[in-house]
Amino acid sequence: GAVVSQHPSRVICKSGTSVKIECRSLDFQATTMFWYRQFPKQSLMLMATSNEGSKATYEQGVEKDKFLINHASLTLSTLTVTSAHPEDSSFYICSASLDTRRDSPLHFGNGTRLTVT
Amino acid sequence: QKEVEQNSGPLSVPEGAIASLNCTYSDRGSQSFFWYRQYSGKSPELIMFIYSNGDKEDGRFTAQLNKASQYVSLLIRDSQPSDSATYLCAVTHFNNAGNMLTFGGGTRLMVKP
Repeated sequence: GAVVSQHPSRVICKSGTSVKIECRSLDFQATTMFWYRQFPKQSLMLMATSNEGSKATYEQGVEKDKFLINHASLTLSTLTVTSAHPEDSSFYICSASLDTRRDSPLHFGNGTRLTVT
Repeated sequence: QKEVEQNSGPLSVPEGAIASLNCTYSDRGSQSFFWYRQYSGKSPELIMFIYSNGDKEDGRFTAQLNKASQYVSLLIRDSQPSDSATYLCAVTHFNNAGNMLTFGGGTRLMVKP
Protein backbone atom coordinates (compact mmCIF):
# COMPACT_ATOMS: atom_id res chain seq x y z
CA GLY A 1 0.00 0.00 0.00
CA ALA A 2 0.93 3.64 -0.31
CA VAL A 3 3.46 4.93 2.18
CA VAL A 4 3.39 8.53 1.02
CA SER A 5 0.17 10.45 0.54
CA GLN A 6 0.00 13.62 -1.52
CA HIS A 7 -2.88 16.07 -1.84
CA PRO A 8 -4.42 17.42 -3.98
CA SER A 9 -3.92 15.21 -7.01
CA ARG A 10 -4.96 17.92 -9.40
CA VAL A 11 -5.37 21.65 -9.10
CA ILE A 12 -6.18 24.45 -11.49
CA CYS A 13 -5.51 28.00 -10.39
CA LYS A 14 -5.38 31.44 -11.85
CA SER A 15 -2.15 33.24 -12.54
CA GLY A 16 -0.96 35.19 -9.50
CA THR A 17 -2.58 32.99 -6.89
CA SER A 18 -0.84 30.57 -4.51
CA VAL A 19 -1.27 26.84 -4.26
CA LYS A 20 -0.37 24.57 -1.36
CA ILE A 21 0.50 20.91 -1.85
CA GLU A 22 0.66 18.53 1.09
CA CYS A 23 2.82 15.45 1.45
CA ARG A 24 2.31 13.03 4.31
CA SER A 25 4.26 9.99 5.34
CA LEU A 26 1.94 7.20 6.39
CA ASP A 27 2.86 5.05 9.39
CA PHE A 28 6.43 6.26 9.52
CA GLN A 29 8.33 9.37 10.45
CA ALA A 30 10.17 11.13 7.66
CA THR A 31 12.80 13.58 8.83
CA THR A 32 13.57 14.24 5.19
CA MET A 33 11.24 14.52 2.24
CA PHE A 34 12.08 15.40 -1.32
CA TRP A 35 10.12 17.51 -3.78
CA TYR A 36 10.42 16.80 -7.49
CA ARG A 37 8.95 18.47 -10.55
CA GLN A 38 8.34 16.84 -13.90
CA PHE A 39 7.49 18.65 -17.11
CA PRO A 40 5.85 16.72 -19.96
CA LYS A 41 8.10 14.13 -21.56
CA GLN A 42 10.94 15.02 -19.21
CA SER A 43 12.44 13.25 -16.25
CA LEU A 44 12.04 14.11 -12.60
CA MET A 45 14.04 17.07 -11.41
CA LEU A 46 14.78 17.49 -7.72
CA MET A 47 13.58 20.87 -6.54
CA ALA A 48 14.39 20.78 -2.86
CA THR A 49 15.06 18.67 0.18
CA SER A 50 12.65 19.28 3.00
CA ASN A 51 14.13 18.87 6.47
CA GLU A 52 11.94 18.56 9.55
CA GLY A 53 12.47 21.47 11.89
CA SER A 54 14.90 23.35 9.68
CA LYS A 55 15.07 25.18 6.41
CA ALA A 56 14.72 23.36 3.15
CA THR A 57 17.69 22.91 0.86
CA TYR A 58 16.94 24.10 -2.66
CA GLU A 59 18.56 22.92 -5.85
CA GLN A 60 20.30 25.38 -8.08
CA GLY A 61 17.88 27.41 -10.14
CA VAL A 62 14.88 26.85 -7.86
CA GLU A 63 13.58 30.05 -6.29
CA LYS A 64 13.16 29.52 -2.56
CA ASP A 65 10.88 32.55 -2.24
CA LYS A 66 8.57 31.22 -4.89
CA PHE A 67 8.46 27.60 -3.77
CA LEU A 68 7.95 27.73 -0.03
CA ILE A 69 8.56 24.49 1.84
CA ASN A 70 7.45 23.84 5.38
CA HIS A 71 8.27 20.61 7.19
CA ALA A 72 6.61 21.31 10.50
CA SER A 73 6.21 17.73 11.66
CA LEU A 74 7.79 14.34 11.08
CA THR A 75 4.90 13.27 8.88
CA LEU A 76 4.01 16.39 6.91
CA SER A 77 5.79 18.57 4.40
CA THR A 78 4.07 21.25 2.36
CA LEU A 79 5.07 22.97 -0.85
CA THR A 80 3.44 26.31 -1.61
CA VAL A 81 3.77 27.71 -5.10
CA THR A 82 3.42 31.44 -4.62
CA SER A 83 2.23 33.86 -7.29
CA ALA A 84 1.88 31.01 -9.73
CA HIS A 85 2.40 31.60 -13.43
CA PRO A 86 1.56 29.41 -16.44
CA GLU A 87 5.20 28.28 -16.67
CA ASP A 88 4.80 26.74 -13.20
CA SER A 89 2.29 24.29 -14.63
CA SER A 90 3.86 20.91 -14.03
CA PHE A 91 3.61 17.60 -12.19
CA TYR A 92 4.88 17.98 -8.63
CA ILE A 93 5.81 14.84 -6.72
CA CYS A 94 6.99 14.39 -3.16
CA SER A 95 8.93 11.43 -1.86
CA ALA A 96 10.43 10.00 1.28
CA SER A 97 12.48 7.04 2.45
CA LEU A 98 11.33 4.74 5.19
CA ASP A 99 14.78 5.00 6.71
CA THR A 100 18.28 6.17 5.87
CA ARG A 101 19.82 2.84 4.94
CA ARG A 102 21.62 2.92 1.63
CA ASP A 103 19.28 0.43 0.04
CA SER A 104 16.16 2.18 1.25
CA PRO A 105 14.33 3.38 -1.85
CA LEU A 106 12.33 6.52 -2.25
CA HIS A 107 8.60 6.11 -2.15
CA PHE A 108 6.63 8.62 -4.11
CA GLY A 109 3.32 10.28 -3.52
CA ASN A 110 0.78 10.12 -6.32
CA GLY A 111 1.78 13.56 -7.52
CA THR A 112 -0.06 16.83 -8.03
CA ARG A 113 -0.78 18.09 -11.49
CA LEU A 114 -0.80 21.87 -11.35
CA THR A 115 -2.32 23.90 -14.16
CA VAL A 116 -2.01 27.66 -13.98
CA THR A 117 -4.32 29.54 -16.31
CA GLN B 1 27.82 17.10 -12.31
CA LYS B 2 26.33 13.76 -11.51
CA GLU B 3 24.70 12.37 -14.62
CA VAL B 4 22.55 9.39 -15.37
CA GLU B 5 22.00 8.57 -19.02
CA GLN B 6 19.32 6.48 -20.65
CA ASN B 7 18.23 6.02 -24.23
CA SER B 8 14.88 7.76 -24.47
CA GLY B 9 13.47 5.19 -26.89
CA PRO B 10 10.85 4.21 -27.62
CA LEU B 11 12.02 0.64 -27.29
CA SER B 12 9.53 -1.58 -29.02
CA VAL B 13 9.39 -5.32 -28.31
CA PRO B 14 6.81 -7.98 -29.14
CA GLU B 15 4.78 -9.57 -26.40
CA GLY B 16 6.66 -12.43 -24.78
CA ALA B 17 10.10 -11.14 -25.73
CA ILE B 18 12.85 -9.91 -23.44
CA ALA B 19 13.11 -6.16 -23.03
CA SER B 20 16.56 -4.84 -22.16
CA LEU B 21 16.86 -1.38 -20.67
CA ASN B 22 20.24 0.21 -20.08
CA CYS B 23 21.56 3.03 -17.95
CA THR B 24 24.99 4.56 -17.46
CA TYR B 25 26.11 6.87 -14.71
CA SER B 26 29.04 9.20 -14.32
CA ASP B 27 29.66 9.28 -10.57
CA ARG B 28 31.90 6.41 -9.46
CA GLY B 29 30.88 7.13 -5.88
CA SER B 30 27.32 6.06 -6.57
CA GLN B 31 26.24 3.37 -4.21
CA SER B 32 22.69 2.30 -4.84
CA PHE B 33 20.76 1.88 -8.05
CA PHE B 34 17.04 1.79 -8.56
CA TRP B 35 14.65 1.11 -11.38
CA TYR B 36 11.29 2.82 -11.33
CA ARG B 37 8.36 2.36 -13.67
CA GLN B 38 6.20 5.35 -14.53
CA TYR B 39 2.93 5.12 -16.37
CA SER B 40 1.80 8.21 -18.21
CA GLY B 41 0.38 10.78 -15.82
CA LYS B 42 1.32 8.77 -12.76
CA SER B 43 4.13 8.97 -10.23
CA PRO B 44 7.03 6.49 -10.34
CA GLU B 45 6.77 3.14 -8.64
CA LEU B 46 9.73 1.09 -7.52
CA ILE B 47 10.56 -2.01 -9.56
CA MET B 48 13.92 -3.09 -8.16
CA PHE B 49 17.03 -1.90 -6.46
CA ILE B 50 20.58 -3.23 -6.59
CA TYR B 51 23.85 -2.21 -4.98
CA SER B 52 26.22 -5.13 -5.54
CA ASN B 53 27.87 -6.11 -8.78
CA GLY B 54 26.12 -8.90 -10.60
CA ASP B 55 22.54 -9.90 -11.19
CA LYS B 56 19.49 -9.65 -9.01
CA GLU B 57 16.31 -11.38 -10.02
CA ASP B 58 12.74 -10.71 -8.92
CA GLY B 59 10.07 -12.52 -10.87
CA ARG B 60 10.24 -11.45 -14.51
CA PHE B 61 12.70 -8.67 -13.71
CA THR B 62 16.48 -8.92 -13.51
CA ALA B 63 18.68 -6.00 -12.59
CA GLN B 64 22.34 -6.13 -13.59
CA LEU B 65 25.05 -3.91 -12.16
CA ASN B 66 28.61 -3.43 -13.37
CA LYS B 67 30.33 -0.77 -11.31
CA ALA B 68 33.61 -1.02 -13.22
CA SER B 69 31.83 -0.08 -16.43
CA GLN B 70 29.36 2.18 -14.63
CA TYR B 71 26.23 0.74 -16.06
CA VAL B 72 23.10 -0.82 -14.72
CA SER B 73 20.48 -2.60 -16.74
CA LEU B 74 17.00 -4.02 -16.34
CA LEU B 75 15.80 -7.09 -18.17
CA ILE B 76 12.10 -7.84 -18.42
CA ARG B 77 11.34 -11.41 -19.46
CA ASP B 78 8.08 -12.46 -21.08
CA SER B 79 7.18 -8.83 -21.73
CA GLN B 80 3.49 -7.98 -21.46
CA PRO B 81 1.55 -5.05 -22.93
CA SER B 82 1.00 -3.90 -19.35
CA ASP B 83 4.76 -3.41 -19.07
CA SER B 84 4.49 -0.53 -21.54
CA ALA B 85 5.65 2.49 -19.57
CA THR B 86 8.64 4.74 -19.04
CA TYR B 87 11.41 3.15 -17.01
CA LEU B 88 13.53 5.45 -14.91
CA CYS B 89 17.00 4.59 -13.73
CA ALA B 90 17.97 6.30 -10.50
CA VAL B 91 21.33 6.48 -8.82
CA THR B 92 22.10 7.56 -5.33
CA HIS B 93 25.05 8.94 -3.51
CA PHE B 94 24.30 8.16 0.08
CA ASN B 95 24.59 10.92 2.65
CA ASN B 96 23.26 11.69 6.10
CA ALA B 97 19.96 12.81 4.64
CA GLY B 98 19.46 9.37 3.22
CA ASN B 99 19.16 8.57 -0.42
CA MET B 100 19.13 11.55 -2.74
CA LEU B 101 18.36 10.18 -6.14
CA THR B 102 19.48 11.44 -9.49
CA PHE B 103 17.20 10.21 -12.24
CA GLY B 104 17.94 9.41 -15.83
CA GLY B 105 15.67 10.75 -18.53
CA GLY B 106 13.83 7.45 -18.77
CA THR B 107 13.33 4.91 -21.53
CA ARG B 108 9.90 4.49 -22.99
CA LEU B 109 9.05 0.83 -23.51
CA MET B 110 6.30 -0.31 -25.83
CA VAL B 111 5.26 -3.96 -25.74
CA LYS B 112 3.16 -4.85 -28.76
CA PRO B 113 0.56 -7.64 -28.58
